[in-house]
Amino acid sequence: DSGVTQTPKHLITATGQRVTLRCSPRSGDLSVYWYQQSLDQGLQFLIQYYNGEERAKGNILERFSAQQFPDLHSELNLSSLELGDSALYFCASSVEDLYQETQYFGPGTRLLVL
Amino acid sequence: AQSVAQPEDQVNVAEGNPLTVKCTYSVSGNPYLFWYVQYPNRGLQFLLKYITGDNLVKGSYGFEAEFNKSQTSFHLKKPSALVSDSALYFCAVTLNGYNKLIFGAGTRLAVHP
Repeated sequence: DSGVTQTPKHLITATGQRVTLRCSPRSGDLSVYWYQQSLDQGLQFLIQYYNGEERAKGNILERFSAQQFPDLHSELNLSSLELGDSALYFCASSVEDLYQETQYFGPGTRLLVL
Repeated sequence: AQSVAQPEDQVNVAEGNPLTVKCTYSVSGNPYLFWYVQYPNRGLQFLLKYITGDNLVKGSYGFEAEFNKSQTSFHLKKPSALVSDSALYFCAVTLNGYNKLIFGAGTRLAVHP
């Protein structure tokens, strides 16, 4: 158990809908990262927050957004969902905002868009 | 562009034999290299990382990896494979200024009794 928690574990929804994925980082970690794992794209970085501020953006669609709250938990919002958004979404956390730090991953949220 | 390659989709090993999972990278600058393992329906678990210093890095569950700058490789090894090592293994890299992990496509390791 990495100490990173994600809810829900599974999510089934329809095209055009909006969902929110939640992540609680390890105790003491200030940095939160979101990744998407899909069969065709593999594991891809979406976005990073550090102590409430957006720090880096990757291949994140405009329909997707995220935020990190004062208690350091983070939410990833996915809207106008399409079939291709079906994937496993991981949250990871690290203590600081340094490239050499280990990122610890949560168990993921499996999203299925029908 | 920065990239990581895992040339083998699957590696098959008999239990008790040594295993190697290959990883090569292409980056501009000094890489920081990581190995993660993913068991079915589980998240990614950190195994080991290379930042600087000794090229041979030891990690969790008896795994080790060797950083080879001239060959731009970071192969994962274990002297004696266990059936329980069967999983999906990912190599990843970060760079100074790039906090995100850039992952390889993954290699499925199957250890047969």
